[in-house]
Amino acid sequence: DTGVSQDPRHKITKRGQNVTFRCDPISEHNRLYWYRQTLGQGPEFLTYFQNEAQLEKSRLLSDRFSAERPKGSFSTLEIQRTEQGDSAMYLCASSFGTGSAEAFFGQGTRLTVV
Amino acid sequence: KQEVTQIPAALSVPEGENLVLNCSFTDSAIYNLQWFRQDPGKGLTSLLLIQSSQREQTSGRLNASLDKSSGRSTLYIAASQPGDSATYLCAVYGGGGNKLTFGTGTQLKVEL
Repeated sequence: DTGVSQDPRHKITKRGQNVTFRCDPISEHNRLYWYRQTLGQGPEFLTYFQNEAQLEKSRLLSDRFSAERPKGSFSTLEIQRTEQGDSAMYLCASSFGTGSAEAFFGQGTRLTVV
Repeated sequence: KQEVTQIPAALSVPEGENLVLNCSFTDSAIYNLQWFRQDPGKGLTSLLLIQSSQREQTSGRLNASLDKSSGRSTLYIAASQPGDSATYLCAVYGGGGNKLTFGTGTQLKVEL
């Protein structure tokens, strides 16, 4: 197992376009998280899945954002009608078991909206 | 709402020096605390995980302590090397939902 994998690593898009990111967690990790990180800041929580169920969403996750985790495996994060303020690093993390388990992060997807 | 603060925001030290990074959090009802390393433009690498029932964890030249009641953690790096240059992030799980709450990090530069 090579760890948490994210694709693409970089994405440049024009304002108003839709983008989709993919995250493949570590095999058998039941918990999956999405975070967003802007320059000079720590990552901020966006949403959390336990298996295929989306159990928690941040207020940061506006109605332009949607996340899925079909069959409890990989996850996708879609941003519709992108805005310049969406430019950030989008990080995916996974863990196994309970909330006290260690979280492992992917390399992130750097989104630039022009 | 859980809030995490890291001090200092930036630190520059000569190679070989021992150093301490500080992390504080406002809500002591946490499950665990993790220290991460982040290189520029990269993802996060987990360094140490301390469960709420533990006082410290060690990995190589790194030692992290946790004082849950006072809401504090420290990361001790012994005999620093230029390869240790990175941003170090502290995060707590709990005290506000199923998520990690991060500090803004300490940017460390170890000079030759």
